[in-house]
Amino acid sequence: AQKITQTQPGMFVQEKEAVTLDCTYDTSDPSYGLFWYKQPSSGEMIFLIYQGSYDQQNATEGRYSLNFQKARKSANLVISASQLGDSAMYFCAMREWDTGNQFYFGTGTSLTVIP
Amino acid sequence: SQTIHQWPATLVQPVGSPLSLECTVEGTSNPNLYWYRQAAGRGLQLLFYSVGIGQISSEVPQNLSASRPQDRQFILSSKKLLLSDSGFYLCAWSVLTGLKNTEAFFGQGTRLTVV
Repeated sequence: AQKITQTQPGMFVQEKEAVTLDCTYDTSDPSYGLFWYKQPSSGEMIFLIYQGSYDQQNATEGRYSLNFQKARKSANLVISASQLGDSAMYFCAMREWDTGNQFYFGTGTSLTVIP
Repeated sequence: SQTIHQWPATLVQPVGSPLSLECTVEGTSNPNLYWYRQAAGRGLQLLFYSVGIGQISSEVPQNLSASRPQDRQFILSSKKLLLSDSGFYLCAWSVLTGLKNTEAFFGQGTRLTVV
């Protein structure tokens, strides 16, 4: 079974608008972390935001916020006030603490910001 | 500060030739190390990870192998490359510090084309 599912292969958003990128996960480990990465066309992987499974509040980092719904096992990334430089691939990832420290990545969402 | 070096940046190899990609980490001790492969337009597939010298876990059976001869050195190898081995290879490291933010840090990647 897929550990991380990203169902949106491609998304478009108007500049200055907000966009939500979906991510659902599957784990039986009670301790885990959820991560979002941005991959521009250069290929580098840029860490954006982190949410721990025991965190009570949704994580926020500047224009990025994570809508964490533990019961639904979803960890959607919200980008507010989109900028042209936000156009990139976005990957959701999970790390299970008790079962080996592997990071599992989703298939990614390609975001295009339209001027 | 911690840095990760991965080389070469690009590589074109004929089918059946051997492969050796190297990754080194500076500024940290006993990191978890990872090799990922990203096929064109696809997500990241975890190939190998290592929690210590000589300790390698394989996620996907294939004609690739990994070794960790030193604490901060991770090598991805193949004796005979296949066309299907083409892709973007990423090395990453992380540390385990309980439930705190422990994202993976990525190298710049190696774009491998098997011809």
